[in-house]
Amino acid sequence: AQSVTQLDSQVPVFEEAPVELRCNYSSSVSVYLFWYVQYPNQGLQLLLKYLSGSTLVKGINGFEAEFNKSQTSFHLRKPSVHISDTAEYFCARLSNTGNQFYFGTGTSLTVIP
Amino acid sequence: KAGVTQTPRYLIKTRGQQVTLSCSPISGHRSVSWYQQTPGQGLQFLFEYFSETQRNKGNFPGRFSGRQFSNSRSEMNVSTLELGDSALYLCASSSGMAGEQYFGPGTRLTVT
Repeated sequence: AQSVTQLDSQVPVFEEAPVELRCNYSSSVSVYLFWYVQYPNQGLQLLLKYLSGSTLVKGINGFEAEFNKSQTSFHLRKPSVHISDTAEYFCARLSNTGNQFYFGTGTSLTVIP
Repeated sequence: KAGVTQTPRYLIKTRGQQVTLSCSPISGHRSVSWYQQTPGQGLQFLFEYFSETQRNKGNFPGRFSGRQFSNSRSEMNVSTLELGDSALYLCASSSGMAGEQYFGPGTRLTVT
């Protein structure tokens, strides 16, 4: 199955501390992986994506993720979080046909002042 | 370019009624996908349309249907509403290239 698993449902972290949100995917020959952020009462905003090439992907708002094929992981990191990063984060993979996303269950990040 | 727009943003309906939601993709995008987001089930794929043809469908009952018009605008319809249909409905617009999907703000449907 083409699935992704987000290992943490809630992550509290103090402001200016680093954070890692974990995502594992089911192995496949090729995989396209994404991280989206959702603020309350809003749609999904793309943070970053891995399609091919460099395994370290940089996104918006200071986020980055590393594609690790041997561990089938795509963890999201930020070295120093802000209050404004409080949101729901979704890991997703694009289907092999390219016309459907499979989403993880989401990680609620709460930044504590 | 204007982003993906969805109308209405909020909707309240009664059980048994039907509802139609609309999605206007980014100009030039020919693919529109629909997703249902609920606290219990998370984000689930409903269906995808490309050039007025449904290419892919998720595991939802036949009460959920959709269509796409020649200008790529898409509508989804839910008939005989149930309480469990209360959700945020998101549509995504795509050019067809991997990684080029953009989501709209969603329509919040409440069924009472």
